[in-house]
Amino acid sequence: KQEVTQIPAALSVPEGENLVLNCSFTDSAIYNLQWFRQDPGKGLTSLLLIQSSQREQTSGRLNASLDKSSGRSTLYIAASQPGDSATYLCAVITGSARQLTFGSGTQLTVLP
Amino acid sequence: GAGVSQSPRYKVAKRGQDVALRCDPISGHVSLFWYQQALGQGPEFLTYFQNEAQLDKSGLPSDRFFAERPEGSVSTLKIQRTQQEDSAVYLCASRRLAGTDTQYFGPGTRLTVL
Repeated sequence: KQEVTQIPAALSVPEGENLVLNCSFTDSAIYNLQWFRQDPGKGLTSLLLIQSSQREQTSGRLNASLDKSSGRSTLYIAASQPGDSATYLCAVITGSARQLTFGSGTQLTVLP
Repeated sequence: GAGVSQSPRYKVAKRGQDVALRCDPISGHVSLFWYQQALGQGPEFLTYFQNEAQLDKSGLPSDRFFAERPEGSVSTLKIQRTQQEDSAVYLCASRRLAGTDTQYFGPGTRLTVL
C-alpha cells in the first residue's frame, strides 16, 4: 500500500526566509506527484503538478522537484511571505482511478 | 467559471442519524472523487466515478457509506446510522478527463457527529 510521509509536520519561519518542505513515498510506481495548499476552512488549491517523467516544476516563488527512484519530492519556497502561511500537502497519483494518496501535510507559519 | 461546490458546508448529526452530502462538480468534468479528511490528517480516498459509473469504491470505510452520481454530474455521499468516528471533512473533487490531470477540489463539508 502506498504511504506518503511529510516532514516536518509544522514549521515556523520569519518572513523573507527560503524554506524546503519534504515528501517521501514508499512505492515509486506513480503517475504524477502534486503539491497542494490548504487554508483553514477551505478546499485544496493545486500548486504544482510534476509528471512522473519530469524532475521539477516551477511557478513563481515555488519550485518542486521529484526523484521518483528514491521516492522523494521537495517543495522549495523562496522569499517566504506571511500570506504563504497554510498547510502544504503532497500527494501522489496512483491506482486504476488515478486517485490521490496524500501525506499528512506540513503546517507552515510565516511570521511578519 | 464556477468551481466545485459542496453543500451543506457544515452538518451536525446525532449519532445514528442518516446524512446526505452533495457535490456539484465543474460542468463537463468526467471524473468525480470523494475524500475524507480527519482532523490533522491528509485527505483519504473514498470513491471514484467516471460519468455515472462508480468504478472504484475501495476506500469506503463500511457499508454504511454509499455514493451515487445518477446522471453523471451531481453526486451525493450518504452515510447511514452515523457514528462519532465519521466526524471529518468530506471533500469532493472533479477532473476534466479520466487521466492524470489536475483534480479541482470543493470547500468540503464538515460533519460533526455528536
